[in-house]
Amino acid sequence: DTGVSQNPRHKITKRGQNVTFRCDPISEHNRLYWYRQTLGQGPEFLTYFQNEAQLEKSRLLSDRFSAERPKGSFSTLEIQRTEQGDSAMYLCASSLSGTLRNEQYFGPGTRLTVT
Amino acid sequence: GQQVMQIPQYQHVQEGEDFTTYCNSSTTLSNIQWYKQRPGGHPVFLIQLVKSGEVKKQKRLTFQFGEAKKNSSLHITATQTTDVGTYFCADQTGANNLFFGTGTRLTVIP
Repeated sequence: DTGVSQNPRHKITKRGQNVTFRCDPISEHNRLYWYRQTLGQGPEFLTYFQNEAQLEKSRLLSDRFSAERPKGSFSTLEIQRTEQGDSAMYLCASSLSGTLRNEQYFGPGTRLTVT
Repeated sequence: GQQVMQIPQYQHVQEGEDFTTYCNSSTTLSNIQWYKQRPGGHPVFLIQLVKSGEVKKQKRLTFQFGEAKKNSSLHITATQTTDVGTYFCADQTGANNLFFGTGTRLTVIP
């Protein structure tokens, strides 16, 4: 499968714990995005990388959230001191710059439940 | 801040009926992309509209971009059960991230 992959697919954690999610984009894609989606809503942008550089972060993103893409390939999203309001589907997407279509390819997501 | 609203929020149609969802923005849209998300699935790209007044067709799907670039629509002719899902429009900002609309959930009754 050459699509975007995310691990784990599901994560249940207790409030106050830290969690880390991983995203492996399509191999030739240099852009990587993280989104959060809650039930009945559209995906909400969190942050964006071009290669290893984090170029944009949503102003809504709490400082408990941090993302990395150390070698410009896979990315990790860490949430520290989780809160119940962090429960959501976390989606990763990738794209290739310089193309006319500019479409983003989404992974299956990691569903986080904070108890 | 930017708001991208879609109407209706929900739509139930009989198989074979047409369906339209409308995307409206409080600000001028940059580029509009449309995505489909099946129940339990992830968003899948359908199309991108760039030019004012642009119309694109994909088989039974017709996409339009308003002349003022503040609205867009997706029309499905003769719906099928495979069309079930939530349709999102998304504004692609200058930074290349997507600002998604509220979505329209389509149910097709066989």
